[in-house]
Amino acid sequence: GNSVTQMEGPVTLSEEAFLTINCTYTATGYPSLFWYVQYPGEGLQLLLKATKADDKGSNKGFEATYRKETTSFHLEKGSVQVSDSAVYFCALRSQAGTALIFGKGTTLSVSS
Amino acid sequence: ETGVTQTPRHLVMGMTNKKSLKCEQHLGHNAMYWYKQSAKKPLELMFVYNFKEQTENNSVPSRFSPECPNSSHLFLHLHTLQPEDSALYLCASRVTSGGTNTGELFFGEGSRLTVL
Repeated sequence: GNSVTQMEGPVTLSEEAFLTINCTYTATGYPSLFWYVQYPGEGLQLLLKATKADDKGSNKGFEATYRKETTSFHLEKGSVQVSDSAVYFCALRSQAGTALIFGKGTTLSVSS
Repeated sequence: ETGVTQTPRHLVMGMTNKKSLKCEQHLGHNAMYWYKQSAKKPLELMFVYNFKEQTENNSVPSRFSPECPNSSHLFLHLHTLQPEDSALYLCASRVTSGGTNTGELFFGEGSRLTVL
């Protein structure tokens, strides 16, 4: 079946450090891939998405590239800020699916 | 303001109580979802409604009973829950027809449920 695997957290970084959160997926066909972010006390918000192989999603300095050959969608940011502290979820929607399948989430904590 | 509003934000109930969670979306979407978020576990899809019709029930116990009276409102009725049902329940919506089908889900802020 379809599934998403994210790196275990928490990830603790200093401000301006480089961030990578790994995400790999298992799915048939060509799923759409998403990164969502959840700030404390809030619901999930879409951060970025990619709908086909080699697409790069980007938003707020975050980027992720849809790699079909490695079934990956790793999240990166060149210089994190304290305000980026949140839980990040990788997700996929299969070609035929109506719902998103999420990973367990990775907690990011950025200190000044 | 996310466009998806959930009430109550916090709920504490005993195992014999009956309560309901409410979700309302102001985005004109036609599909609505309930997800359960527990600590250390992936978000679990519970139910999907499309144009008021239930299209997915992800093997959810019958003590959770969804209701979708129209495309803008979704309820989750709770009855004789167990302590392990304590979690954050998230509602989401999406447009599934027409030229703006991005696949993106819009989430509410969740209802934090504690079962004693």
